[in-house]
Amino acid sequence: GQQVMQIPQYQHVQEGEDFTTYCNSSTTLSNIQWYKQRPGGHPVFLIQLVKSGEVKKQKRLTFQFGEAKKNSSLHITATQTTDVGTYFCAGLHSNDYKLSFGAGTTVTVRA
Amino acid sequence: DAGVTQSPTHLIKTRGQHVTLRCSPISGHKSVSWYQQVLGQGPQFIFQYYEKEERGRGNFPDRFSARQFPNYSSELNVNALLLGDSALYLCASSFDLNEKLFFGSGTQLSVL
Repeated sequence: GQQVMQIPQYQHVQEGEDFTTYCNSSTTLSNIQWYKQRPGGHPVFLIQLVKSGEVKKQKRLTFQFGEAKKNSSLHITATQTTDVGTYFCAGLHSNDYKLSFGAGTTVTVRA
Repeated sequence: DAGVTQSPTHLIKTRGQHVTLRCSPISGHKSVSWYQQVLGQGPQFIFQYYEKEERGRGNFPDRFSARQFPNYSSELNVNALLLGDSALYLCASSFDLNEKLFFGSGTQLSVL
């Protein structure tokens, strides 16, 4: 079946450092969405990327969509304690329009 | 405006029982999707409904069924519960198909 793979599964970051989480799909995506889930909470929408090679920024967060529309990344600069949580990518597959979530990258921050 | 509301928040059932979970979307949203999230994993797609019609179904057995009502609220039904059905069941609404999802707080189902 169609899958969206996400790495790393866990990211332990020193406060102030940068990190990147990566998302790869086995098939071409119509769009990719990113969500953040705080511990004990529900996923909250961050951003949607639609165009090949698209780059979007939200303050310290930079999102990229690959040229082939099969991969994406989220880069966070100067990590803060408020960045703690699990970040999910979710890909909308071109052939059946089902939104598939990756397993997530769980981020912890050392002060 | 109220967000997506789900009921109940927690539920304990025994194997073989049946359960009905309910979801009210954000006002004006026409699409409702259901996801199952096991601890430590990403949400797994179960169903999507749009304008009261099923628009997508994930890889779940026929014990899982759902429907959307004229007011766009939705129910997820699970029959013959198994231990492995224990999970957080998330409902999400969107204004239209293929748009960003707004999730409810979920129903935590425990099957004993």
